[in-house]
Amino acid sequence: EIVMTQSPATLSVSPGERATLSCRASQSVSNNLAWYQQKPGQAPRLLIYGASTTATGIPARFSGSGSGTEFTLTISSPQSEDFAVYYCQQYNNWPYIFGQGTKLEI
Amino acid sequence: EVQLVQSGAEVQKTGESLRISCKGSGYSFSNTWIAWVRQMPGKGLEWMGMIYPRDSDTRYSPSFQGQVTISADKSINTAYLQWSSLEASDTAMYFCARGPPYDYWGQGTLVTVSS
Repeated sequence: EIVMTQSPATLSVSPGERATLSCRASQSVSNNLAWYQQKPGQAPRLLIYGASTTATGIPARFSGSGSGTEFTLTISSPQSEDFAVYYCQQYNNWPYIFGQGTKLEI
Repeated sequence: EVQLVQSGAEVQKTGESLRISCKGSGYSFSNTWIAWVRQMPGKGLEWMGMIYPRDSDTRYSPSFQGQVTISADKSINTAYLQWSSLEASDTAMYFCARGPPYDYWGQGTLVTVSS
């Protein structure tokens, strides 16, 4: 079973300050990596898939990069609505494990 | 419009059985995997398993194998998550989602289990 490790657990930034979230897989997942955003009381929302493809309707300030075992989600200039929990997920080999999440806070 | 609509909140007692549902619309339900994801109170997302409705091919996470049953009825575009004997530790929010990647999610079903 692949283990997904996200860092940091909590990231504190000021609005407009670049945010960089990391995700590491215990073995290669190629580019089969997705990022999700979850706000309290809501279902997760797909942000990025294929490691770097932005999902429909997602603002351009969100971008993803990486392949193999190391991945990054970058929010170029976080807005107030971006403060939430972010999860990575590999879908290269089932079980399709999620990382433990990074909370982005002000 | 793609939608996944889940059944309503449940309050059950330990040892009881339960089945919750997820109804898809606006896309080819039979030809798209549907997954179930657990979120315990204040915790992260856990992938439980998935089903391909067209042929009911089902895959489980080892953590949930034998603990739950995933099924689907393609004639009514509905997937199910079932327990035969609930435990207090099953108290959680359960989401269905289509994919991967999971581009559409149900609204969640809160399951509360008490003694």
